[in-house]
Amino acid sequence: DVKVTQSSRYLVKRTGEKVFLECVQDMDHENMFWYRQDPGLGLRLIYFSYDVKMKEKGDIPEGYSVSREKKERFSLILESASTNQTSMYLCASSGTASSYNSPLHFGNGTRLTVT
Amino acid sequence: GEDVEQSLFLSVREGDSSVINCTYTDSSSTYLYWYKQEPGAGLQLLTYIFSNMDMKQDQRLTVLLNKKDKHLSLRIADTQTGDSAIYFCAESPMDTGRRALTFGSGTRLQVQP
Repeated sequence: DVKVTQSSRYLVKRTGEKVFLECVQDMDHENMFWYRQDPGLGLRLIYFSYDVKMKEKGDIPEGYSVSREKKERFSLILESASTNQTSMYLCASSGTASSYNSPLHFGNGTRLTVT
Repeated sequence: GEDVEQSLFLSVREGDSSVINCTYTDSSSTYLYWYKQEPGAGLQLLTYIFSNMDMKQDQRLTVLLNKKDKHLSLRIADTQTGDSAIYFCAESPMDTGRRALTFGSGTRLQVQP
């Protein structure tokens, strides 16, 4: 079974802090994704990566950056946290680099509150 | 861009059938997915359908696809309280280089005993 692990279930940070959300997958998947989930808005894609050191912007990248130094690890960085970044953050991975149709496997999410 | 829409809430009685609907705009979608999210958890893949199929059945789950109307539905037969969750419809767009899925807003299914 694919396991996607997010390092924290709950985080509380102050406005202006730099925040790191970590995600690790154990299935040697090429593709990794960060989404945020907000009520009524569903999941919105922040960034994704299809290879080590590669990254692509999703639909809402503003205020975020990412890092993929190793294949199994994909980090989401909030350079200066703001209250509108309070949300549930979901990491996902998928395999089969040549296919657009590989299902995503999700972690359990990190609920971030910025005060 | 791609857009996936779902109603936000559905309430049914235990033992009834549930039907969750979804519409999408990208006619080039090749796969369409249904994910389930239980409280406090990430999303779990329930089932998927390839775009050249009309129907797929998997135990209590039936997926119907009307490609002409870009309408997807998930039917859960004999709904149980354990089926209470948020259900997300998702499509895989054919946009070059974009390997992410586009999700709907999710439908919260409440099953009353």
